[in-house]
Amino acid sequence: AQSVTQLGSHVSVSEGALVLLRCNYSSSVPPYLFWYVQYPNQGLQLLLKYTSAATLVKGINGFEAEFKKSETSFHLTKPSAHMSDAAEYFCAVRNAGNMLTFGGGTRLMVKP
Amino acid sequence: SQTIHQWPATLVQPVGSPLSLECTVEGTSNPNLYWYRQAAGRGLQLLFYSVGIGQISSEVPQNLSASRPQDRQFILSSKKLLLSDSGFYLCAWKYEGYYNEQFFGPGTRLTVL
Repeated sequence: AQSVTQLGSHVSVSEGALVLLRCNYSSSVPPYLFWYVQYPNQGLQLLLKYTSAATLVKGINGFEAEFKKSETSFHLTKPSAHMSDAAEYFCAVRNAGNMLTFGGGTRLMVKP
Repeated sequence: SQTIHQWPATLVQPVGSPLSLECTVEGTSNPNLYWYRQAAGRGLQLLFYSVGIGQISSEVPQNLSASRPQDRQFILSSKKLLLSDSGFYLCAWKYEGYYNEQFFGPGTRLTVL
C-alpha cells in the first residue's frame, strides 16, 4: 500500500529564507510523486511532479523537489521565500489503483 | 485547453436537507473524475471516483452519493445532510493513463447548520 507522511503540519519562515517542506512516502509500486499548493478557499494547483525521469524536478514559482529513493523522500524546496508563498502544500503519491494518496498537508507561513 | 467548474462556490444548508453539488469539465473527453472532501484541519479525503458514465466507485461509506450522468459531469448528492458533512468539496479530473496528474476545480464550501 502507498502512504505519504508530511513532517510538520505548520512551517514558518521569514521572507527571503529557505523553504523546506518534507515528504516521505512508501510505495509498493514505482512511485510517481506530486506536490500541490492550495491557497485559501481555492482548489489544488500542481507545483511539480516526479515520474521516473530526472530526480531533481523543477516546478512553478521557483519550487523544486528531489526524489531520493534511498531515503524514500521527495522534499520540496525554494531558495528564497516570498510572502505570496504562504499557502498549504500537499505531497501525493500515485498508488497501485491509479489514484492519488495525499499527505496531511503542511501550512507554510511567511513572516515579513 | 481544459477547464473544470464547480458550483455553487459556497452553500449553507440546514441539517436534514438535500444536497447537490455539480462538477463539469470542458475541453477533454472520457476523463477520470474524483470527489474529495477537506474537513477543517484535516487533509483530503477521497469520496468517489468515476472512470466512465454511470461508473462510480465509493471510497468511504457515508450518506453521500455520486452520479455521472454525462461524460464530463459529476454530481455529488445527499438526501439528508449531517453536521459532519460540512467541509470543502473538491472535484478533480485526470486523463486516462497511469502517469497523469489530477487537475482540481475551485471547490465548494459547504456549511451544514
